[in-house]
Amino acid sequence: ETGVTQTPRHLVMGMTNKKSLKCEQHLGHNAMYWYKQSAKKPLELMFVYSLEERVENNSVPSRFSPECPNSSHLFLHLHTLQPEDSALYLCASSQDSHQPQHFGDGTRLSIL
Amino acid sequence: QKEVEQNSGPLSVPEGAIASLNCTYSDRGSQSFFWYRQYSGKSPELIMSIYSNGDKEDGRFTAQLNKASQYVSLLIRDSQPSDSATYLCAVNGNTGGFKTIFGAGTRLFVKA
Repeated sequence: ETGVTQTPRHLVMGMTNKKSLKCEQHLGHNAMYWYKQSAKKPLELMFVYSLEERVENNSVPSRFSPECPNSSHLFLHLHTLQPEDSALYLCASSQDSHQPQHFGDGTRLSIL
Repeated sequence: QKEVEQNSGPLSVPEGAIASLNCTYSDRGSQSFFWYRQYSGKSPELIMSIYSNGDKEDGRFTAQLNKASQYVSLLIRDSQPSDSATYLCAVNGNTGGFKTIFGAGTRLFVKA
């Protein structure tokens, strides 16, 4: 596989469930990102990891918990989400902070 | 004031015409500038990156950057119906930092 792969593509969960989103990049990049994209809103940066260290945490509620076990994998653990958390969650990677980002296909999340 | 501003559109141009997309940003320290294209239901894909003042051409696309005016634009020559999409302007605002700010995007329709 090449590029950035996200699983699952779609996820429906209740507010009390716990689930995880997975992202894997096959580009040899050093940085990985989580974004939230809601309808009619700009992409919102959530977290950034560089060389497995979290370098940005954009005031995201604690019900979202990121994990970066190595430079190729990134997870977003979800717990006790709210209906307003329904959105498209995009993972991206880049070689460094000044290089463009490559996006995965996203996970469409719906909270019941 | 929004950090990265774009006209939401829609911008409608006839096939074969030049489409002009504009973006302004607030952080004078911004170093890296990107244009992404996002088709409906898809993830953003990189069109152009630009780092210094002036024009950068790649096929039918030309990016223009004016740091003094805090302005970046994208010209699409010989517009095709397949260019119909939302175009996102993205700006990396901090030297050495990973915080990329996206505009809300401009919807472009190219009429056949």
